[in-house]
Amino acid sequence: SQQGEEDPQALSIQEGENATMNCSYKTSINNLQWYRQNSGRGLVHLILIRSNEREKHSGRLRVTLDTSKKSSSLLITASRAADTASYFCATDANDYKLSFGAGTTVTVRA
Amino acid sequence: GAVVSQHPSWVICKSGTSVKIECRSLDFQATTMFWYRQFPKQSLMLMATSNEGSKATYEQGVEKDKFLINHASLTLSTLTVTSAHPEDSSFYICSARTYIAGSGTDTQYFGPGTRLTVL
Repeated sequence: SQQGEEDPQALSIQEGENATMNCSYKTSINNLQWYRQNSGRGLVHLILIRSNEREKHSGRLRVTLDTSKKSSSLLITASRAADTASYFCATDANDYKLSFGAGTTVTVRA
Repeated sequence: GAVVSQHPSWVICKSGTSVKIECRSLDFQATTMFWYRQFPKQSLMLMATSNEGSKATYEQGVEKDKFLINHASLTLSTLTVTSAHPEDSSFYICSARTYIAGSGTDTQYFGPGTRLTVL
């Protein structure tokens, strides 16, 4: 079942701007992962952050995790048109089953 | 590496027929495979967990007789939607779990999905 909620549901930005989206969850987790999905396609794994980590970077992506608030954020810097997609957070409560958030649809305008 | 394929990518069938969807890990052996369902503009809902050589574990509310899962090998899992009806129309996505050296944890790799339309 879905554990998390994502905010905002949709985001429209200009190319070159940063995009920030947030994810909240309800139960204790082992790790939290972010995925990207282009329309009608499968999911691409972006980044995984463990429960004992607070921040992680991968290229133009920056993920933070606050376990006390049960929330995470994904920042995409210097956005490009190719970043247009839906972004999902997914939590792993140590049983390897992923529980997905509702997703944020990001549109990057050229 | 870590590529997961699904076949077919889309299928249209008549109500009452059965449809089989294959999920393959192409360059690794998967300890576990998962099947998800996604409705338009919604999130992924886990349907079942599939382990090679054992019965699948279904999530609450998922009919195991409706959605038959067979995990024949460490690289192949199949989902059969039996006696499909229009309400079964959806996007079905599989994932395969494996440990990638240096990552420190198992990671799930997702297939491209199968769009099922039942007329």
